[in-house]
Amino acid sequence: DQQVKQNSPSLSVQEGRISILNCDYTNSMFDYFLWYKKYPAEGPTFLISISSIKDKNEDGRFTVFLNKSAKHLSLHIVPSQPGDSAVYFCAASGEDDKIIFGKGTRLHILP
Amino acid sequence: DAGVIQSPRHEVTEMGQEVTLRCKPISGHDYLFWYRQTMMRGLELLIYFNNNVPIDDSGMPEDRFSAKMPNASFSTLKIQPSEPRDSAVYFCASSGTSPEGKQFFGPGTRLTVL
Repeated sequence: DQQVKQNSPSLSVQEGRISILNCDYTNSMFDYFLWYKKYPAEGPTFLISISSIKDKNEDGRFTVFLNKSAKHLSLHIVPSQPGDSAVYFCAASGEDDKIIFGKGTRLHILP
Repeated sequence: DAGVIQSPRHEVTEMGQEVTLRCKPISGHDYLFWYRQTMMRGLELLIYFNNNVPIDDSGMPEDRFSAKMPNASFSTLKIQPSEPRDSAVYFCASSGTSPEGKQFFGPGTRLTVL
């Protein structure tokens, strides 16, 4: 049973517009939510995180929103740039030391 | 810091052969994780260590898989005997004491079993 779900395998967005990547989770005990970015032939790299006690965290062009009642989070990228084309993984961590990853969403930024 | 180092980057082997993947975590990190990435299952955790001690190996698919961490700067993931369905990208990651458990990944080893 997937605890972290990314229901969109891929997403295409015009350069300069907003990219919105969505993620749902089932475990209400998660303490933190993280987003990772992955380029081909490289390992995932940490992008941004949010504590479960907050509803928004912003870092430059990247903002993560958390809706605990809906068990939903989203990553907003604005404006989208060509270098943002990558696979984005949503992840969650709890009391143990593990991170549970979603299956990823491939983002294509169109020129 | 050089980051997490994995070797080899690519491995092609024949079914039945032994495969050993290697990882050097970031110095000072207490946790080390082994993941496998496939199209079907995404990024799945195989096993993780804390201070060189295996904590959770529930993700190891079969007895053919084993992992060791003899010291704080080295870990191996071994598959014996290897099978074609083991073909995947294997990642090693390490983490310190950040509250969100942020992990730093190596570049991965792409394993192909013929």
